[in-house]
Amino acid sequence: DVKVTQSSRYLVKRTGEKVFLECVQDMDHENMFWYRQDPGLGLRLIYFSYDVKMKEKGDIPEGYSVSREKKERFSLILESASTNQTSMYLCASEPLLEALRDTEAFFGQGTRLTVV
Amino acid sequence: EDQVTQSPEALRLQEGESSSLNCSYTVSGLRGLFWYRQDPGKGPEFLFTLYSAGEEKEKERLKATLTKKESFLHITAPKPEDSATYLCAVQAQNTDKLIFGTGTRLQVFP
Repeated sequence: DVKVTQSSRYLVKRTGEKVFLECVQDMDHENMFWYRQDPGLGLRLIYFSYDVKMKEKGDIPEGYSVSREKKERFSLILESASTNQTSMYLCASEPLLEALRDTEAFFGQGTRLTVV
Repeated sequence: EDQVTQSPEALRLQEGESSSLNCSYTVSGLRGLFWYRQDPGKGPEFLFTLYSAGEEKEKERLKATLTKKESFLHITAPKPEDSATYLCAVQAQNTDKLIFGTGTRLQVFP
């Protein structure tokens, strides 16, 4: 089974702190994604990466950065956490869509981040 | 602009009472439409991918259908364990990005 593992289920951080959310996948997938999920807003894409050291902005990249030094690991960084970044953060991975038709994104269990 | 709208926001069913969830979309060339199930406090779990109008897929009590403007997730004789939020997402041509709807929260009572 594909496994996408996020380093923490729950995090509480203070305003202004630098926060790292880690995600690791074990299926050699090329694509990895970071979403945040808020009530009434659904899942919104923050950043995605389709290869090592490659990244593209999603719909809401402001206040975030990412790092992909190895294929299996995709990190989300909150440079200076703010209270409006309190949310559920979800990481996902999938193989290159050009390679396979019947593919889907596999999600991690989520990290619930609270910024106080 | 690519967009996904799900309805209803919430649905309460009696066990055995069949119903349908709707996902309306606008996208500049559909590459695929995805249905996910999400339990509270967990990440979404993949259910189906549909690629072209007229396509249908089934899994246990769930059946997904697709037209050029919308998809339905039909739930036949639901059980309490089907209670979850069901998410719909679309993917446009030439992109790997998924655009999600806000989901339908389904509660099935015994």
